[in-house]
Amino acid sequence: SQTIHQWPATLVQPVGSPLSLECTVEGTSNPNLYWYRQAAGRGLQLLFYSVGIGQISSEVPQNLSASRPQDRQFILSSKKLLLSDSGFYLCAWTATSRAYEQYFGPGTRLTVT
Amino acid sequence: RKEVEQDPGPFNVPEGATVAFNCTYSNSASQSFFWYRQDCRKEPKLLMSVYSSGNEDGRFTAQLNRASQYISLLIRDSKLSDSATYLCVVAIYGNKLVFGAGTILRVKS
Repeated sequence: SQTIHQWPATLVQPVGSPLSLECTVEGTSNPNLYWYRQAAGRGLQLLFYSVGIGQISSEVPQNLSASRPQDRQFILSSKKLLLSDSGFYLCAWTATSRAYEQYFGPGTRLTVT
Repeated sequence: RKEVEQDPGPFNVPEGATVAFNCTYSNSASQSFFWYRQDCRKEPKLLMSVYSSGNEDGRFTAQLNRASQYISLLIRDSKLSDSATYLCVVAIYGNKLVFGAGTILRVKS
């Protein structure tokens, strides 16, 4: 069966510090991968999605970036965090054959201080 | 106007009650529809897909009305474990989903 991992689970970072969040998927190949952010009490906001290695689509202009160095690895980064980057970051995957059924990782709760 | 709108609630219901959530979407080109469940401080999990003919999964029934751009979720015989936030989700194009902000359900004994 397929599983999706995210780490770290929680993170507290000062303003201006860099960020790297990692997501990996097991048990499938060539998945579509997604990064979302959920601010407190808000809906999920799609940040990036990828349909293959090195292929990244950005949904919201901001100080975040994403990379997909391997088929089942998706990384979210920032060079300098802002207070507004605080939130719950979720990675999700879909099989290309069922591209609308998304399955989420456990998430990373980021607090920028 | 938001692409997907839901009543935020909370809906406070006793165990055994029947409760219904509604959701409207603005893009008539929307292709697929889902309900997700999100427990407090956890990731969303797919609850069920929503088909034009309506579909049922145990105590849960989902309905879609394309003409009115309206989706519903009915929960019968509510359990304490049903307490969660229910997210209405619409696939508009490509591989992207649009999530509603969610409806909070609290089932009390």
